[in-house]
Amino acid sequence: DGGITQSPKYLFRKEGQNVTLSCEQNLNHDAMYWYRQDPGQGLRLIYYSQIVNDFQKGDIAEGYSVSREKKESFPLTVTSAQKNPTAFYLCASRPRGSTNEKLFFGSGTQLSVL
Amino acid sequence: DAKTTQPNSMESNEEEPVHLPCNHSTISGTDYIHWYRQLPSQGPEYVIHGLTSNVNNRMASLAIAEDRKSSTLILHRATLRDAAVYYCILNGIGGSNYKLTFGKGTLLTVNP
Repeated sequence: DGGITQSPKYLFRKEGQNVTLSCEQNLNHDAMYWYRQDPGQGLRLIYYSQIVNDFQKGDIAEGYSVSREKKESFPLTVTSAQKNPTAFYLCASRPRGSTNEKLFFGSGTQLSVL
Repeated sequence: DAKTTQPNSMESNEEEPVHLPCNHSTISGTDYIHWYRQLPSQGPEYVIHGLTSNVNNRMASLAIAEDRKSSTLILHRATLRDAAVYYCILNGIGGSNYKLTFGKGTLLTVNP
């Protein structure tokens, strides 16, 4: 079945450590997105990518980095510069050229600080 | 800065209709209006979307104002399973419209 896979489901980060969240999709979608969600809050956009080898900062990109070397993969690194990384992270994708297509979301990764 | 505005919360009784409003006064002509809902600790799931005409599917109906500056998601008979956060977003292309921004959504509580 086609879809988006996020891993791991739970992740723990030590002080000063970088961690990478995985997001893989087999939907052949060009556009991919990373969102952060804090308890009781909505989704805030971290980074997005419209096509391979290209990505743009969202509203809260500081302390995060991404890469888009393959169409199906859009990993997110939470760097040590992100001082408050505890949150629920969601990855999404959609076809690039169409607005008449729904967004597909992964099941999320819960990141916590040890 | 979300392009849509929704009430923070709404409450309904089971088996009654629910009308969830969304304002999007800066909508452009090519933006589709999408609705998603999210259960706790899960990723959002698609509910419905439309451009100009009202839309129906097995989950809900979407009523779009004639000037497209607002829309309403209609759940015809709310069930306990419909309790979730509902998000209304504008799905556009070109320039900054690729940046799909979510607001805080509306937390729907369904009373038995």
